[in-house]
Amino acid sequence: QSVLTQPPSVSGAPGKRVIISCTGSTSNLGAGYDVHWYQQFPGAAPKLLIYDTGNRPAGVPERFFGSRSGTSASLDISGLLPEDEAYYYCQSYDSTLNGGRVFGGGTKLSVL
Amino acid sequence: VQLQESGPGLVKASETLSLICTVSDGSISSFDWSWIRQPPGKGLEWIGYIFSNGTTNYNPSLKSRVNISLDTSKNQFSLKLNSVTAADTAIYYCARDLRIEVGGRDFYYGLDVWGQGTTVTVSS
Repeated sequence: QSVLTQPPSVSGAPGKRVIISCTGSTSNLGAGYDVHWYQQFPGAAPKLLIYDTGNRPAGVPERFFGSRSGTSASLDISGLLPEDEAYYYCQSYDSTLNGGRVFGGGTKLSVL
Repeated sequence: VQLQESGPGLVKASETLSLICTVSDGSISSFDWSWIRQPPGKGLEWIGYIFSNGTTNYNPSLKSRVNISLDTSKNQFSLKLNSVTAADTAIYYCARDLRIEVGGRDFYYGLDVWGQGTTVTVSS
């Protein structure tokens, strides 16, 4: 059972838009801790996709957009491409763990 | 900065899993570091971190069995997990845990550099 809750899977057609949610609690997202998103392809290490809610590292397309509100965060992917098919994880920090890192369970994005 | 995990790929149940993460093109003393694992077919689990000053924090579910340490002379940090069971079989990743302190407040920038991961299987 992950501290942050994500839908197990989402899907969308090429060119369309999907939103992946990440729900936490008052001890993590609701406490104002930063939230980050990672993209992982099968057989590869995760890659930082979005940091501090909505910032993109160099090289990440603007099609990836992060936001947050209260105890939740969202990853918005627009203009879906087949190569976006991957697993996506949210990550934050938790006061009950003295700032320890917590992950969502991951969401499999299928581009149909 | 580049990271590379190394260590035995097979560990016997009840023994100690020991992994090393070698940091290249950067000083280990300048940043914080985390270990993360991923059981087969499952999601990511944070194991623990070590700050540049040596402060550690571990996942409560593993705290009684985990130790993370720094070796600044070799630019490496290590993970030791004792009394392993089949449930500890996973891909183990090391990562740079980017945190910047400004005016006494911490700003977090995520796990921005990852090693390629190393598979550890616990055998009975």
